Amino acid sequence: AQSVTQLGSHVSVSEGALVLLRCNYSSSVPPYLFWYVQYPNQGLQLLLKYTTGATLVKGINGFEAEFKKSETSFHLTKPSAHMSDAAEYFCAVSRMDSSYKLIFGSGTRLLVRP
Amino acid sequence: DAGITQSPRYKITETGRQVTLMCHQTWSHSYMFWYRQDLGHGLRLIYYSAAADITDKGEVPDGYVVSRSKTENFPLTLESATRSQTSVYFCASQTGPYTEAFFGQGTRLTVV
Repeated sequence: AQSVTQLGSHVSVSEGALVLLRCNYSSSVPPYLFWYVQYPNQGLQLLLKYTTGATLVKGINGFEAEFKKSETSFHLTKPSAHMSDAAEYFCAVSRMDSSYKLIFGSGTRLLVRP
Repeated sequence: DAGITQSPRYKITETGRQVTLMCHQTWSHSYMFWYRQDLGHGLRLIYYSAAADITDKGEVPDGYVVSRSKTENFPLTLESATRSQTSVYFCASQTGPYTEAFFGQGTRLTVV
């Protein structure tokens, strides 16, 4: 069975500091992985996705994530946090069966201090 | 406008009432999903649909009913609302397998 674990329900960084949001997955087959961002009172928006090929994936708003099979991780990073990055972030893995469902982690709320 | 829209955005209803949340997408995506979002639980799948007239249960289907007579619409009905169904509900669609999901803005439902 596939699952996703996000370490840290809240992460706080200073503006300009590195952002690192952790995601580990469990999958018996090569996964498809996604990061979504949710701003207050809005739906989820796709930040980036990994399907196959290059393990370093670049997304919108300066975010990137690296797929590390040996560590079963897909951590999200951004070199320099901006106040507008404050939001909730969800990691998700695609189920490799006929349902095509996404399995979501419990989310990490990013706080950016001025 | 192209996209996925949910209505209403906010709804307050009483325990025991039936309520329907609407979801409409303009892309003709085959797959549609209903999730609920609760603090501490992330997003949990209620029901999903692979095509018109094909629906299946997700993780937390009890107390909910869906239908999909047309590709673009996927309404979610709470047959007899309970306070535990107070939540934010999101509809999503996907073009196909292993693709990203596109989400609506959500419906905040309060059952009193």
